[in-house]
Amino acid sequence: AQSVTQPDIHITVSEGASLELRCNYSYGATPYLFWYVQSPGQGLQLLLKYFSGDTLVQGIKGFEAEFKRSQSSFNLRKPSVHWSDAAEYFCAVVPKGNTPLVFGKGTRLSVIA
Amino acid sequence: EAGVTQSPTHLIKTRGQQATLRCSPISGHTSVYWYQQALGLGLQFLLWYDEGEERNRGNFPPRFSGRQFPNYSSELNVNALELEDSALYLCASRQGAYNEQFFGPGTRLTVL
Repeated sequence: AQSVTQPDIHITVSEGASLELRCNYSYGATPYLFWYVQSPGQGLQLLLKYFSGDTLVQGIKGFEAEFKRSQSSFNLRKPSVHWSDAAEYFCAVVPKGNTPLVFGKGTRLSVIA
Repeated sequence: EAGVTQSPTHLIKTRGQQATLRCSPISGHTSVYWYQQALGLGLQFLLWYDEGEERNRGNFPPRFSGRQFPNYSSELNVNALELEDSALYLCASRQGAYNEQFFGPGTRLTVL
C-alpha cells in the first residue's frame, strides 16, 4: 500500500542547532513530494516541494529538503533552528496526477533555549 | 492575493445534529480538497471537488458529503454527528498541474 512514514514523533533541539526531519515514502514511482508546517490551532503552510530536477530544494524560512530516490526519502533540514520553528511538520506525497495528498503522521518539533 | 478561507472558525454541535462547513478557494483555483485532522488519527482525505463535480472521496461514511458551487467555493456537510467527528477540518485548493495544495486555517468542530 502507498504510505508515508515519519519515524520521529517528537524531536527536541536547542535554538541555533541544526535540524533534520526524516520522511520515507512507499510508492511505485517517484511521487510529488511536499513538506508542510502547522503551528498550534492553525492550518498547514507549504514549506517546500519537489516535482523533478535538482534533488536539493529550497523552501521558505530557511528550510531545505533533499530527495534521494535510492532511499525513497525526502528529509527536511535547517542549519540553525529558531524558537519560532517550534511546530508540527508533515511530509506529504501525491502520485503524479490530481489525487489527494497522503500525509505522514507528523513530527512535533520543540525548541529549547 | 487572498488565501483559502474557511468558516466558521469554531463550531460546537451536539450528537445527532448536522454541521455545515464552508471553504473559499484561492481565486483562480478550481479544485477543493477537504481533510479531517482528528486527534491521534493524523490528516485524512475526505472529499475532492473539481469544476463542480465530486472527483474522489476518502474512507468516510456517506453522512459526510459536500458540494462545490459555480464560484468554486465548497461546503462540507456532516449529518448525524458523532462524538468522534470532533476534529479540525481543513480545506485546500490546488494550483496547476503539480497538485500543489494551499490550506485554509481550518474549522474546529466539537461534538458534545
